[in-house]
Amino acid sequence: SAVISQKPSRDICQRGTSLTIQCQVDSQVTMMFWYRQQPGQSLTLIATANQGSEATYESGFVIDKFPISRPNLTFSTLTVSNMSPEDSSIYLCSVDRQGDEQFFGPGTRLTVL
Amino acid sequence: QKEVEQDPGPLSVPEGAIVSLNCTYSNSAFQYFMWYRQYSRKGPELLMYTYSSGNKEDGRFTAQVDKSSKYISLFIRDSQPSDSATYLCAIKGVGGTSYGKLTFGQGTILTVHP
Repeated sequence: SAVISQKPSRDICQRGTSLTIQCQVDSQVTMMFWYRQQPGQSLTLIATANQGSEATYESGFVIDKFPISRPNLTFSTLTVSNMSPEDSSIYLCSVDRQGDEQFFGPGTRLTVL
Repeated sequence: QKEVEQDPGPLSVPEGAIVSLNCTYSNSAFQYFMWYRQYSRKGPELLMYTYSSGNKEDGRFTAQVDKSSKYISLFIRDSQPSDSATYLCAIKGVGGTSYGKLTFGQGTILTVHP
C-alpha cells in the first residue's frame, strides 16, 4: 500500500479566500489525482497531476479555480480559489500504483462560510 | 444514465449475515474494478480490485465481475458490526486519457447490528 498524508485535515474559511491543500506520499509515484466528495455524495475526479506535466482537468473543473502543483514524485498541492459555500466538501488526493491499486489520503474537510 | 450505478441503500443486516453489494456500469472499455470501504470522516480504503470476469476472494470478502452483463458485486460473509461503513464501487479506465481515472458509484451505506 501507500502511506498518504494531507494537510490540513480540516479548515473553516471565509468566502472569497483561498486554501492550499498538501498531499504527501511515502514513496515516489507517477500518477496522482485529486477528488472532491460533496456532503453525502460520492467522489468526483477534479484533475490528474503527473510530475513534469501540466495537470489535466475534468469537465466542470478549471485551473483558475483549482490550480495544482506537482513539484516532485512524492508531493502535490491543490488550491481552492475564491471560495464560496458551494466549495464546502472533502478534498482527497490519491496515488496509482503500477496501474493496479489506487490509494487515497485521509481527506481535507473544508467548510466555507 | 450514470456511468456507474450503485444502490445507495441504506442496508441494515444482523451480525453474521451475508451481505451483497452491487453495481452496474455502462462503458465496456472499463477494465479494472475496485471496491472501497469508507468509514465516517475517513478516506476510502481499498478492499479489493480485479480486472477479469469471475470471482476473487480475500478472507470474508468476495468480489465478482460479470463483464458480459456489466455487473459487479461484493459479498461479505459473516458480517461484523465493524463492517458498518459506506461501500463504494469504482471502475478504472486503462487507456488513453482515461488511464488511471476512477469513476465511482454513489456508495451503499451498510449497518451491521449486533
